[in-house]
Amino acid sequence: EIVMTQSPATLSVSPGDRATLSCRATQSIGTNLAWYQQKPGQAPRLLIYTASTRANGIPARFSGSGSGTEFSLTIRSLQSEDFGIYYCQYYNNWPPEYSFGQGTKVEIK
Amino acid sequence: QVQLVQSGAEVKKPGSSVKVSCTASGGTFSRHTISWLRQAPGQGLEWMGRITPVLETPNYAQKFQDRVTITADESTSTVYLQLTGLTSDDTAVYYCARDPMGFDPWGQGTLVTVSS
Repeated sequence: EIVMTQSPATLSVSPGDRATLSCRATQSIGTNLAWYQQKPGQAPRLLIYTASTRANGIPARFSGSGSGTEFSLTIRSLQSEDFGIYYCQYYNNWPPEYSFGQGTKVEIK
Repeated sequence: QVQLVQSGAEVKKPGSSVKVSCTASGGTFSRHTISWLRQAPGQGLEWMGRITPVLETPNYAQKFQDRVTITADESTSTVYLQLTGLTSDDTAVYYCARDPMGFDPWGQGTLVTVSS
């Protein structure tokens, strides 16, 4: 079983600053990685898939990078609407395997 | 543009079962893979299983293998999640979401509360 570990647990950021979130896999997953944003009372929203491809409608200030076991999500010039919990997720189509990190909370500094 | 709409909140007794629905609009329903996930209060996300209606055969996470059934009704573009043997640990928001390569879009979520 592949376990995903995110760091830090909480990130305090001022609006306009850059935020970098990390995600590590216990073994190589290539680029089978997605990132999500979740706000209270809402379903998660897909931001990034295949480690670095922005989903439809996602602003260019969100970027993903990495491969193998180390990944990062960078939010350039954080906006007020970007605060929330961010999850990374490993996916494999066959055999089906999906594993989420425990989340990083991005809060206002 | 696919949209997923889920059934409403449920309150269940321990030991009972629940069946949650997820109806798709837009796109070609039978070829989409739909997964079910859940999120316990204040906790992270957990994948439960998936189905591609045209293939009929569902896949389940090992943790839920004995208690979950996922089915699809192509005539109504609806996918169902049935979970049996409910305990308080099953209290969670249940989501459906389209696969693959990341879950998108998601349903709005269905709160299932298990309480005596």
